[in-house]
Amino acid sequence: SQKIEQNSEALNIQEGKTATLTCNYTNYSPAYLQWYRQDPGRGPVFLLLIRENEKEKRKERLKVTFDTTLKQSLFHITASQPADSATYLCALASGATNKLIFGTGTLLAVQP
Amino acid sequence: GAVVSQHPSWVICKSGTSVKIECRSLDFQATTMFWYRQFPKQSLMLMATSNEGSKATYEQGVEKDKFLINHASLTLSTLTVTSAHPEDSSFYICRAATYNEQFFGPGTRLTVL
Repeated sequence: SQKIEQNSEALNIQEGKTATLTCNYTNYSPAYLQWYRQDPGRGPVFLLLIRENEKEKRKERLKVTFDTTLKQSLFHITASQPADSATYLCALASGATNKLIFGTGTLLAVQP
Repeated sequence: GAVVSQHPSWVICKSGTSVKIECRSLDFQATTMFWYRQFPKQSLMLMATSNEGSKATYEQGVEKDKFLINHASLTLSTLTVTSAHPEDSSFYICRAATYNEQFFGPGTRLTVL
């Protein structure tokens, strides 16, 4: 069956450190993968998109890698800040339908 | 940037009543609208996909007669939860998409008493 799994436990890190979140998937062949941030009671906010033929994408303090052989994406936040505390979701999409399927989400807590 | 709105942002209703949630794309024409449901501490689960002017496609396990979706124009889609029950209490989120852009709405919190 198809699965998208993220760090099952909440991730606690100290301010200034790099947070690394994982997204593993099985039985998918996504055209692209996206990462979102979601705060409590709010809709998801788009962060980064990476296509199947790309290995790495960066945006300011964020970096995403995509390994289609391992079927895994890693999401890094460098120089983390308490304001980065939120739930982070990965989502896969096939190119044909534009349908996004979400992972389980990882709650990140950055301690000051 | 583009904005997608949802109305209402929250609603409380009695069991057995129907509730309509609107999703509007404010400055772009959304060819496809997606509806998601999110239970507490869980991820977003896709309920259905609708293209303007055609019937919605529902995901497995989602009752189409209970969750009525209308996508009558390129800027408006509605989700009606019919005969709502407490187990329908959830956070409902729409996503409006064109070929190369997509934006999520802020969500609607439904509480059924």
